[in-house]
Amino acid sequence: DADVTQTPRNRITKTGKRIMLECSQTKGHDRMYWYRQDPGLGLRLIYYSFDVKDINKGEISDGYSVSRQAQAKFSLSLESAIPNQTALYFCATMDRDYGYTFGSGTRLTVV
Amino acid sequence: ELKVEQNPLFLSMQEGKNYTIYCNYSTTSDRLYWYRQDPGKSLESLFVLLSNGAVKQEGRLMASLDTKARLSTLHITAAVHDLSATYFCAVEKETSGSRLTFGEGTQLTVNP
Repeated sequence: DADVTQTPRNRITKTGKRIMLECSQTKGHDRMYWYRQDPGLGLRLIYYSFDVKDINKGEISDGYSVSRQAQAKFSLSLESAIPNQTALYFCATMDRDYGYTFGSGTRLTVV
Repeated sequence: ELKVEQNPLFLSMQEGKNYTIYCNYSTTSDRLYWYRQDPGKSLESLFVLLSNGAVKQEGRLMASLDTKARLSTLHITAAVHDLSATYFCAVEKETSGSRLTFGEGTQLTVNP
């Protein structure tokens, strides 16, 4: 099993729908991150969490919310999806000694 | 606000040639990372650079860090087709939650 698992891998949804992207990890890391990737823009941080009670906004949090259900689970929600949220989404975990581990990504298309 | 800029953004080179990708960042940082990404895939960690003057090498890739100039380089020696990918640098600041700020990425194509 992968260390950081993202589900679904691909999703097509309609404008205005609520959608949740899920991330789970087996590495035991406290820090978890959600990034969005758009062509030519690199990856940009949406939200990050140090533990279940510590959630922080990143640089592009508008239109997104997150939930840290447990140390191992960090979910990203789009309450009302819009087409410009079409992107590749990555979850990552971090440990000071081990560095970052990225999931395989979720490709989201909003039509 | 921390900004990270890479150049070039697109690089087409012939097999056997050498080239360098540059990564500039705007404020002091704690660590600098280089990643490789193949199309539609996740990010693969290549190097972590911690201190001024750090140099790391793996195969045909060598990364260096100059914290005074706020510059990192990724040097490619005798390129081969398998190196074709997008390369990202990313800078970490622990005081900002250890989050990574990424450059735009350099899309490298190595032609036979």
